[in-house]
Amino acid sequence: GAGVSQTPSNKVTEKGKYVELRCDPISGHTALYWYRQSLGQGPEFLIYFQGTGAADDSGLPNDRFFAVRPEGSVSTLKIQRTERGDSAVYLCASSSNRGTEAFFGQGTRLTVV
Amino acid sequence: KQEVTQIPAALSVPEGENLVLNCSFTDSAIYNLQWFRQDPGKGLTSLLLIQSSQREQTSGRLNASLDKSSGRSTLYIAASQPGDSATYLCAVSRGVKTSGSRLTFGEGTQLTVNP
Repeated sequence: GAGVSQTPSNKVTEKGKYVELRCDPISGHTALYWYRQSLGQGPEFLIYFQGTGAADDSGLPNDRFFAVRPEGSVSTLKIQRTERGDSAVYLCASSSNRGTEAFFGQGTRLTVV
Repeated sequence: KQEVTQIPAALSVPEGENLVLNCSFTDSAIYNLQWFRQDPGKGLTSLLLIQSSQREQTSGRLNASLDKSSGRSTLYIAASQPGDSATYLCAVSRGVKTSGSRLTFGEGTQLTVNP
C-alpha cells in the first residue's frame, strides 16, 4: 500500500475484554514496530519484527500483550484482559531495513472503560 | 538507558518568525535521528532523517542539525506559518542488530503559530 495502515482507528472496549489491533505496513518493508503513546507523551517502544520473527519484544509491559506477524507483512497486536491503564494510542511503523527511515500509521486509539 | 529531552515543551510565536526547537539525548552512540510532526489525533509524519555521520539535513523551510558528540539536535523552521502548528517530536535510533531502528522519543514541543 501507499502508507502504513492501522485498523480500527478507534476502539472502545470494556475492562477485562480481549482486543486485537491490526497493522498493514508499507509493501516490501521488512521491519515493523509497535509503539504506545499516552496523552502528552512521546511514543514508547513495544516490539520490533524483522520479517516474521519478533527481534526485540523488550518493550511489552507484561504478558497480557502479545504481537504476531505470521507472514512477514500484516501484524496484529493482541491485548488480553484489558485494563483502564491500557488506554492509549497504539502506533505502528515500518521501515525498509534496519536503520532506515521509519514511516508511521495513523494509530489506533484504544479506550478501556 | 537512552533519554531524549525536548525544550521547550510548548512554544507560541507570531506568523513569519524563524524559530528553533531543541532536542538532547544522553547516549551519543546513535545510528540516526529523526524529526517528526504530529497533528492532534493523528499519527507521525517524518520530516527529516539525519544519519549519525551527517551534520545536517534540509527540506524546504526546515533545517535539522546534529552534533552527536554533544548529544544535541536542533530543528530550525524558517518563516513560520499557521499551518506549521503541531507537536514536533525528536527520536533517536541506536540501530543495533537486535533492535533495528527502534526509536527513543522525546516528549515533543507543541508549536502554535499565530496568524
